[in-house]
Amino acid sequence: GAVVSQHPSWVICKSGTSVKIECRSLDFQATTMFWYRQFPKQSLMLMATSNEGSKATYEQGVEKDKFLINHASLTLSTLTVTSAHPEDSSFYICSVSLTRGAGYEQYFGPGTRLTVT
Amino acid sequence: SQKIEQNSEALNIQEGKTATLTCNYTNYSPAYLQWYRQDPGRGPVFLLLIRENEKEKRKERLKVTFDTTLKQSLFHITASQPADSATYLCALDVYNYGQNFVFGPGTRLSVLP
Repeated sequence: GAVVSQHPSWVICKSGTSVKIECRSLDFQATTMFWYRQFPKQSLMLMATSNEGSKATYEQGVEKDKFLINHASLTLSTLTVTSAHPEDSSFYICSVSLTRGAGYEQYFGPGTRLTVT
Repeated sequence: SQKIEQNSEALNIQEGKTATLTCNYTNYSPAYLQWYRQDPGRGPVFLLLIRENEKEKRKERLKVTFDTTLKQSLFHITASQPADSATYLCALDVYNYGQNFVFGPGTRLSVLP
């Protein structure tokens, strides 16, 4: 599989501030990375697809101006939550997708717990 | 509307028994289906993938079946152990090229000693 890291693992910020979350693919060059959000006791919801060297593709209902994604290299994608509010508090997880011939498998980072006070 | 459902939010079974989890979907035609394990506060971990033309897939104590007529997948853990306690998620690759996965709500499995 692929090894994916995220930093920070948790962050607390005040309402109105911005927070940057990093996602790194440690042993795989990822042209595409995915960002998910997970609220307590709910499943993962895809927020956006991060494409190296080009603009991210956002899912319906996700504000691109609020969740800024930058995929500057084949191993790093960042998600910046701008002007964070308490309702943005969630578990943010990134992933890379690998093909094994039979189909694509996703490998996830450990997640970042964001709490906005 | 499109929907993915997993049979129950929580499932308790006794150690040593076989756990069976269900994933049903409507209005999707996935080329394959996946199962993941997620522990609290962690990202999901890939377990198994099964293609639409495969009836069954096995990996150690895990077995997955896929019935495209019923639009259902069953996930079995045989000889379950307390260490198997986690939330299990099914996922569909809805565009069939690894670019958009949709996850079910998950089933939280507790294996009691």
